[in-house]
Amino acid sequence: DAGVTQSPTHLIKTRGQHVTLRCSPISGHKSVSWYQQVLGQGPQFIFQYYEKEERGRGNFPDRFSARQFPNYSSELNVNALLLGDSALYLCASSFARGPGTGELFFGEGSRLTVL
Amino acid sequence: LAKTTQPISMDSYEGQEVNITCSHNNIATNDYITWYQQFPSQGPRFIIQGYKTKVTNEVASLFIPADRKSSTLSLPRVSLSDTAVYYCLVGIMDSNYQLIWGAGTKLIIKP
Repeated sequence: DAGVTQSPTHLIKTRGQHVTLRCSPISGHKSVSWYQQVLGQGPQFIFQYYEKEERGRGNFPDRFSARQFPNYSSELNVNALLLGDSALYLCASSFARGPGTGELFFGEGSRLTVL
Repeated sequence: LAKTTQPISMDSYEGQEVNITCSHNNIATNDYITWYQQFPSQGPRFIIQGYKTKVTNEVASLFIPADRKSSTLSLPRVSLSDTAVYYCLVGIMDSNYQLIWGAGTKLIIKP
């Protein structure tokens, strides 16, 4: 069975641009969550979606948005990129309804560099 | 500011038992405590999850005291391949609900 897949794996953007990151969950998982991991730090929770509804949101500005599609895949959008948005963006899927329960299965991440 | 606290790094030797503790003073009442392992350039991998007392699986044990303000991950008989960063993950009730990852404990296993 395929694990969580994320695309693109690496990308470079300049300040002020927009980026869209994509995630396909494990088959059967209805929950997708997104995390930002700056080099040398722990992941930071951004969003969690379950059955296309937002179930949790971390302390990120409105430049960050996400959505989940009927096939449970998800997109994370970041507008007006700043240098500080450079990070590894991780997507995880699970069976759990809420953001704080259940085993999370992570993808390999999308490495975003903002110049 | 709600947060978790873990040691930044730990060293041990092959065959030893390693215990890593995470403190989480404002844990949400109904939330579980979860631990993950992360290798460089990979996403985190689930180790164990618990709500209270003790949980054991094939790779680790998790000890949670009655007040749930801390948790201890126990890795029995570590090997070189256990060298990684270990994170605790909890839901914290502050002014609102937040899902908080610890800063991570870099565990180095020596031969």
